[in-house]
Amino acid sequence: SAVISQKPSRDICQRGTSLTIQCQVDSQVTMMFWYRQQPGQSLTLIATANQGSEATYESGFVIDKFPISRPNLTFSTLTVSNMSPEDSSIYLCSVGAGTGYETQYFGPGTRLLVL
Amino acid sequence: DAKTTQPTSMDCAEGRAANLPCNHSTISGNEYVYWYRQIHSQGPQYIIHGLKNNETNEMASLIITEDRKSSTLILPHATLRDTAVYYCIVKETSGSRLTFGEGTQLTVNP
Repeated sequence: SAVISQKPSRDICQRGTSLTIQCQVDSQVTMMFWYRQQPGQSLTLIATANQGSEATYESGFVIDKFPISRPNLTFSTLTVSNMSPEDSSIYLCSVGAGTGYETQYFGPGTRLLVL
Repeated sequence: DAKTTQPTSMDCAEGRAANLPCNHSTISGNEYVYWYRQIHSQGPQYIIHGLKNNETNEMASLIITEDRKSSTLILPHATLRDTAVYYCIVKETSGSRLTFGEGTQLTVNP
């Protein structure tokens, strides 16, 4: 398994601002993922971030709103841009592990409240 | 990925076995069954996965029916700390994305 940390753990932001969330892994991993969990709901995949390539976004998520960086094999950032109250969610990163990256391990999440 | 159906909620007495069912009638031959859980205010935790044989690890056992259309996650001796939302997910091993449904809220009672 992998140990994953996220910063910040929580934040309260004003609408119209942007927040960058960091995800750090204790080992080198090829595949990293960003999820969103809106209040009372299940997780939704935002994008897949592989080192050395552009992030792949899921339907309903765009790069202008959620730019992602993946500068190396242990680190990634997700930015939530031009925030509105609807962006209030938990944002989680995960990494793929196993021979075929079939198992994902999740970070603790970043709790974001937009006022 | 095949769709899964789980009960919305279940209760279990502490110390007893918790049996969480999952239906995945449209599962294809190259799709695995994965189980994750999410304890309140934490990130999801991987529990176990399997293809067609029963699997066991230090956390749980996974029983998959012979036709693979359903499975059961078994927590042999549930504790209060096992209270969580349990997600059953079907996906190919070659595919990376996890599609989370609504899961089952398991409440372990003292």
